[in-house]
Amino acid sequence: ETGVTQTPRHLVMGMTNKKSLKCEQHLGHNAMYWYKQSAKKPLELMFVYNFKEQTENNSVPSRFSPECPNSSHLFLHLHTLQPEDSALYLCASSRGVGTVEKLFFGSGTQLSVL
Amino acid sequence: EDKVVQSPLSLVVHEGDTVTLNCSYEVTNFRSLLWYKQEKKAPTFLFMLTSSGIEKKSGRLSSILDKKELSSILNITATQTGDSAIYLCAVEAGAGNMLTFGGGTRLMVKP
Repeated sequence: ETGVTQTPRHLVMGMTNKKSLKCEQHLGHNAMYWYKQSAKKPLELMFVYNFKEQTENNSVPSRFSPECPNSSHLFLHLHTLQPEDSALYLCASSRGVGTVEKLFFGSGTQLSVL
Repeated sequence: EDKVVQSPLSLVVHEGDTVTLNCSYEVTNFRSLLWYKQEKKAPTFLFMLTSSGIEKKSGRLSSILDKKELSSILNITATQTGDSAIYLCAVEAGAGNMLTFGGGTRLMVKP
């Protein structure tokens, strides 16, 4: 148990669906992240939030929309996805941004887009 | 663009063997290198290395950073089946906490 919880664990959606991924951390951290892990590709950073403010958007298509209502919760809203968006989506948190800190990861949401 | 390369891509060994995993990087303004173990889904932290030549050790696992060679190795001695996992190397560079990950090494330890 890393202290970072993601739901759902698995998600299958059609290209016209709208769904949301949820992440919650119980570590008192101030920074939260979304990463994408595709088969045979390195983990890719998508978004970074520090104290609820988005500090990084790594050229992610607008069909992915993050939301961070507070330092403990992070959402990723999905709409009109493509089959190539099928991947493991990992949420992570750290004490802050700007210092050398390790990330704590959740178990991820395995997303399949049909 | 920051780049992290791990080798080998995959490795199959038998219990009791010793393995060495490699990570090399090309980044601007290196800050730290981290190793993670990903068994099922959640990567779990193993080591953070910031200084060259200082070995970090945890049980049968150890790691060392060589800033001159822009690389790091992760050693696992007396491997066990529970060591089977993907081992991820990540480098933090520049401002902020933006990690660039390598593609990982998939290790399988057979009984």
